[in-house]
Amino acid sequence: ELKVEQNPLFLSMQEGKNYTIYCNYSTTSDRLYWYRQDPGKSLESLFVLLSNGAVKQEGRLMASLDTKARLSTLHITAAVHDLSATYFCAVAPTGANSKLTFGKGITLSVRP
Amino acid sequence: EPEVTQTPSHQVTQMGQEVILRCVPISNHLYFYWYRQILGQKVEFLVSFYNNEISEKSEIFDDRFSVERPDGSNFTLKIRSTKLEDSAMYFCASSERAGRETQYFGPGTRLLVL
Repeated sequence: ELKVEQNPLFLSMQEGKNYTIYCNYSTTSDRLYWYRQDPGKSLESLFVLLSNGAVKQEGRLMASLDTKARLSTLHITAAVHDLSATYFCAVAPTGANSKLTFGKGITLSVRP
Repeated sequence: EPEVTQTPSHQVTQMGQEVILRCVPISNHLYFYWYRQILGQKVEFLVSFYNNEISEKSEIFDDRFSVERPDGSNFTLKIRSTKLEDSAMYFCASSERAGRETQYFGPGTRLLVL
Protein backbone atom coordinates (compact mmCIF):
# COMPACT_ATOMS: atom_id res chain seq x y z
CA GLU A 1 0.00 0.00 0.00
CA LEU A 2 1.35 3.38 -0.99
CA LYS A 3 1.85 5.70 1.96
CA VAL A 4 2.64 9.38 1.77
CA GLU A 5 4.06 11.29 4.71
CA GLN A 6 4.49 14.99 5.04
CA ASN A 7 6.35 16.85 7.68
CA PRO A 8 6.04 18.97 9.56
CA LEU A 9 2.24 19.04 9.73
CA PHE A 10 2.23 22.67 10.78
CA LEU A 11 4.80 25.34 10.20
CA SER A 12 4.78 28.89 11.44
CA MET A 13 6.97 30.95 9.17
CA GLN A 14 8.35 34.41 9.58
CA GLU A 15 7.94 36.79 6.68
CA GLY A 16 11.03 37.08 4.57
CA LYS A 17 12.65 33.84 5.70
CA ASN A 18 13.27 30.64 3.75
CA TYR A 19 11.79 27.26 4.60
CA THR A 20 11.68 23.73 3.23
CA ILE A 21 8.93 21.17 3.66
CA TYR A 22 9.12 17.49 2.85
CA CYS A 23 7.10 14.72 1.33
CA ASN A 24 8.14 11.06 1.61
CA TYR A 25 6.42 8.13 -0.03
CA SER A 26 6.72 4.43 0.45
CA THR A 27 6.73 2.71 -2.94
CA THR A 28 7.96 3.28 -6.44
CA SER A 29 6.34 6.19 -8.19
CA ASP A 30 7.10 8.10 -11.34
CA ARG A 31 5.11 11.20 -10.56
CA LEU A 32 4.40 13.48 -7.67
CA TYR A 33 2.03 16.40 -7.40
CA TRP A 34 1.90 19.40 -5.13
CA TYR A 35 -1.44 21.07 -4.43
CA ARG A 36 -2.37 24.11 -2.40
CA GLN A 37 -5.60 24.38 -0.44
CA ASP A 38 -6.93 27.55 1.19
CA PRO A 39 -9.39 27.07 4.07
CA GLY A 40 -12.74 25.85 2.81
CA LYS A 41 -11.55 25.88 -0.78
CA SER A 42 -10.60 23.37 -3.43
CA LEU A 43 -7.20 22.05 -4.39
CA GLU A 44 -5.11 24.16 -6.70
CA SER A 45 -2.44 22.40 -8.71
CA LEU A 46 1.03 23.83 -8.11
CA PHE A 47 3.53 21.39 -9.59
CA VAL A 48 3.75 18.07 -11.36
CA LEU A 49 7.11 16.32 -11.03
CA LEU A 50 7.56 13.50 -13.49
CA SER A 51 11.15 12.35 -13.28
CA ASN A 52 14.05 11.87 -10.94
CA GLY A 53 15.81 15.17 -10.40
CA ALA A 54 12.90 17.21 -11.69
CA VAL A 55 12.84 20.75 -10.39
CA LYS A 56 10.05 23.25 -10.96
CA GLN A 57 9.74 26.82 -9.77
CA GLU A 58 6.84 29.21 -9.62
CA GLY A 59 7.36 32.51 -7.86
CA ARG A 60 8.63 31.89 -4.34
CA LEU A 61 8.03 28.14 -4.48
CA MET A 62 10.40 25.53 -5.85
CA ALA A 63 9.68 21.82 -5.86
CA SER A 64 12.06 18.96 -6.52
CA LEU A 65 11.83 15.20 -6.74
CA ASP A 66 14.30 12.46 -5.82
CA THR A 67 12.71 9.18 -6.84
CA LYS A 68 15.56 7.11 -5.46
CA ALA A 69 15.08 8.57 -1.99
CA ARG A 70 11.30 8.69 -2.55
CA LEU A 71 11.37 12.29 -1.41
CA SER A 72 10.07 15.59 -2.68
CA THR A 73 10.88 18.95 -1.19
CA LEU A 74 9.03 22.23 -1.48
CA HIS A 75 11.28 25.19 -0.85
CA ILE A 76 9.82 28.55 0.08
CA THR A 77 11.91 31.63 -0.55
CA ALA A 78 11.28 34.82 1.44
CA ALA A 79 7.90 33.79 2.78
CA VAL A 80 5.00 36.21 2.40
CA HIS A 81 1.54 36.17 3.97
CA ASP A 82 -0.10 35.10 0.71
CA LEU A 83 1.63 31.74 1.00
CA SER A 84 -0.35 30.85 4.12
CA ALA A 85 -2.33 27.72 3.17
CA THR A 86 -2.23 23.95 3.43
CA TYR A 87 0.08 22.20 0.98
CA PHE A 88 -0.57 18.63 -0.02
CA CYS A 89 1.67 16.31 -1.91
CA ALA A 90 0.08 13.43 -3.79
CA VAL A 91 1.67 10.41 -5.38
CA ALA A 92 0.51 7.96 -8.03
CA PRO A 93 2.08 4.52 -8.44
CA THR A 94 4.28 3.79 -11.43
CA GLY A 95 2.29 3.05 -14.52
CA ALA A 96 -0.97 4.20 -15.96
CA ASN A 97 -2.93 4.07 -12.73
CA SER A 98 -4.12 7.57 -11.91
CA LYS A 99 -5.28 7.09 -8.34
CA LEU A 100 -3.65 9.78 -6.22
CA THR A 101 -2.65 9.06 -2.64
CA PHE A 102 -2.39 12.24 -0.62
CA GLY A 103 -0.32 13.12 2.40
CA LYS A 104 -1.98 14.71 5.41
CA GLY A 105 -0.92 18.15 4.29
CA ILE A 106 1.28 20.79 5.82
CA THR A 107 -0.39 23.95 7.09
CA LEU A 108 1.83 26.97 6.63
CA SER A 109 1.19 30.20 8.51
CA VAL A 110 3.27 33.24 7.69
CA ARG A 111 3.54 35.83 10.44
CA PRO A 112 4.92 39.36 10.14
CA GLU B 1 -9.68 29.26 -18.16
CA PRO B 2 -11.66 26.00 -18.17
CA GLU B 3 -12.53 24.65 -14.76
CA VAL B 4 -14.34 21.80 -13.08
CA THR B 5 -17.66 22.85 -11.59
CA GLN B 6 -19.72 21.11 -8.93
CA THR B 7 -23.25 21.44 -7.61
CA PRO B 8 -24.56 21.89 -5.04
CA SER B 9 -21.91 23.63 -2.97
CA HIS B 10 -23.59 22.40 0.22
CA GLN B 11 -25.99 19.53 0.83
CA VAL B 12 -27.65 18.58 4.09
CA THR B 13 -29.49 15.28 4.28
CA GLN B 14 -30.98 12.94 6.81
CA MET B 15 -29.28 9.64 7.52
CA GLY B 16 -30.65 6.93 5.26
CA GLN B 17 -31.54 9.28 2.42
CA GLU B 18 -30.01 9.30 -1.04
CA VAL B 19 -27.93 12.17 -2.40
CA ILE B 20 -26.61 12.94 -5.85
CA LEU B 21 -23.58 15.14 -6.25
CA ARG B 22 -23.01 16.63 -9.66
CA CYS B 23 -19.89 17.60 -11.51
CA VAL B 24 -19.14 19.09 -14.89
CA PRO B 25 -15.55 18.17 -15.81
CA ILE B 26 -13.38 20.22 -18.13
CA SER B 27 -14.78 19.71 -21.60
CA ASN B 28 -11.94 17.91 -23.38
CA HIS B 29 -11.04 15.74 -20.41
CA LEU B 30 -11.66 12.02 -20.58
CA TYR B 31 -10.80 10.82 -17.08
CA PHE B 32 -12.92 11.63 -14.09
CA TYR B 33 -12.46 11.12 -10.37
CA TRP B 34 -14.18 11.55 -7.06
CA TYR B 35 -12.25 12.21 -3.86
CA ARG B 36 -13.45 13.10 -0.42
CA GLN B 37 -11.99 15.00 2.50
CA ILE B 38 -13.35 14.61 5.98
CA LEU B 39 -12.98 17.85 7.88
CA GLY B 40 -9.38 18.47 8.87
CA GLN B 41 -8.11 15.27 7.29
CA LYS B 42 -6.36 14.29 4.10
CA VAL B 43 -7.93 13.89 0.71
CA GLU B 44 -8.96 10.29 -0.06
CA PHE B 45 -9.53 8.68 -3.45
CA LEU B 46 -12.97 7.20 -4.06
CA VAL B 47 -13.22 6.24 -7.71
CA SER B 48 -11.86 6.83 -11.19
CA PHE B 49 -13.97 6.62 -14.35
CA TYR B 50 -13.13 6.37 -18.02
CA ASN B 51 -15.02 5.40 -21.13
CA ASN B 52 -18.23 5.01 -19.18
CA GLU B 53 -16.92 2.57 -16.69
CA ILE B 54 -15.14 2.51 -13.36
CA SER B 55 -11.38 2.12 -13.71
CA GLU B 56 -10.59 1.78 -10.04
CA LYS B 57 -12.34 2.24 -6.71
CA SER B 58 -11.25 2.36 -3.11
CA GLU B 59 -12.58 0.48 -0.10
CA ILE B 60 -14.57 3.58 0.83
CA PHE B 61 -16.56 3.21 -2.41
CA ASP B 62 -18.88 0.46 -1.17
CA ASP B 63 -22.10 -0.71 -2.79
CA ARG B 64 -23.97 2.39 -1.56
CA PHE B 65 -21.90 4.49 -3.92
CA SER B 66 -22.31 4.71 -7.67
CA VAL B 67 -21.10 6.98 -10.45
CA GLU B 68 -22.61 7.81 -13.78
CA ARG B 69 -22.03 9.99 -16.79
CA PRO B 70 -25.62 10.49 -17.84
CA ASP B 71 -24.82 12.78 -20.76
CA GLY B 72 -21.83 14.29 -22.49
CA SER B 73 -21.07 16.79 -19.79
CA ASN B 74 -22.19 15.71 -16.33
CA PHE B 75 -20.53 13.23 -14.00
CA THR B 76 -22.47 12.26 -10.89
CA LEU B 77 -21.80 10.55 -7.59
CA LYS B 78 -24.80 8.94 -5.93
CA ILE B 79 -24.74 7.82 -2.32
CA ARG B 80 -27.65 5.68 -1.18
CA SER B 81 -28.63 5.07 2.45
CA THR B 82 -26.34 7.82 3.68
CA LYS B 83 -24.53 7.40 6.98
CA LEU B 84 -23.23 9.96 9.44
CA GLU B 85 -19.68 9.06 8.45
CA ASP B 86 -20.37 10.07 4.84
CA SER B 87 -20.22 13.68 5.98
CA ALA B 88 -17.29 15.21 4.14
CA MET B 89 -16.26 17.52 1.33
CA TYR B 90 -16.54 15.67 -1.96
CA PHE B 91 -14.28 16.78 -4.78
CA CYS B 92 -14.65 15.92 -8.42
CA ALA B 93 -11.53 16.01 -10.57
CA SER B 94 -10.77 15.48 -14.22
CA SER B 95 -7.71 14.98 -16.39
CA GLU B 96 -7.16 15.03 -20.10
CA ARG B 97 -5.50 11.64 -20.11
CA ALA B 98 -4.61 9.00 -17.56
CA GLY B 99 -1.18 8.54 -16.11
CA ARG B 100 1.17 11.47 -15.90
CA GLU B 101 -1.44 14.22 -16.16
CA THR B 102 -2.53 16.85 -13.70
CA GLN B 103 -5.90 16.23 -12.15
CA TYR B 104 -7.91 19.43 -11.87
CA PHE B 105 -10.20 19.65 -8.91
CA GLY B 106 -13.60 21.25 -8.63
CA PRO B 107 -14.66 23.51 -5.74
CA GLY B 108 -16.26 20.62 -3.85
CA THR B 109 -19.64 19.79 -2.35
CA ARG B 110 -19.85 19.84 1.42
CA LEU B 111 -22.16 17.01 2.47
CA LEU B 112 -23.58 16.92 5.97
CA VAL B 113 -25.53 13.85 7.04
CA LEU B 114 -27.68 14.35 10.14
